[in-house]
Amino acid sequence: GAVVSQHPSWVICKSGTSVKIECRSLDFQATTMFWYRQFPKQSLMLMATSNEGSKATYEQGVEKDKFLINHASLTLSTLTVTSAHPEDSSFYICSAPRITEAFFGQGTRLTVV
Amino acid sequence: TQLLEQSPQFLSIQEGENLTVYCNSSSVFSSLQWYRQEPGEGPVLLVTVVTGGEVKKLKRLTFQFGDARKDSSLHITAAQPGDTGLYLCAGARGAGNNRKLIWGLGTSLAVNP
Repeated sequence: GAVVSQHPSWVICKSGTSVKIECRSLDFQATTMFWYRQFPKQSLMLMATSNEGSKATYEQGVEKDKFLINHASLTLSTLTVTSAHPEDSSFYICSAPRITEAFFGQGTRLTVV
Repeated sequence: TQLLEQSPQFLSIQEGENLTVYCNSSSVFSSLQWYRQEPGEGPVLLVTVVTGGEVKKLKRLTFQFGDARKDSSLHITAAQPGDTGLYLCAGARGAGNNRKLIWGLGTSLAVNP
């Protein structure tokens, strides 16, 4: 099946620094990718929709200046958490749709200390 | 407003028991998907149901899509400890670049040996 690779799997950073998370579709092209945030044992919360060649669409309540999304190619989308704070610590997951299904990356565990 | 109600949210059972997870909505979906997620990993697609009334079986898992395509259920027969995980349902709306998945809150299942 289709594969989506997310990197890094986990990252620890200091408060105030920025962290970039990459999401790649390995064997198909994705004009759209989705970024989610997830808290323990809870469902996925859609943060934004990444659109290749255009601006991302952010969900209500998500700060676009804090969570920068770039979709520079048909196989790569990046999420940069800027000026990270401890409350940004979470599990971030990307997904890319292919035909009628969504394929997910492995997720990134971000811990801000 | 949660557009896709998933229940129960938490479930702890003994090995060998049966269980059913429900996803309900007042809106129609073009398709509905069930995912299973293990801690620290991204969700993995189990099944997609498309046709109203459709029933799909995956070993001990039985998935059903309601006749009106507004609800779905996942039934697990003779649960095993390996079934432990977070089960997520997601309903699809829209098409192409406008296609979005509406997520249920998830069911955290623990199967005790």
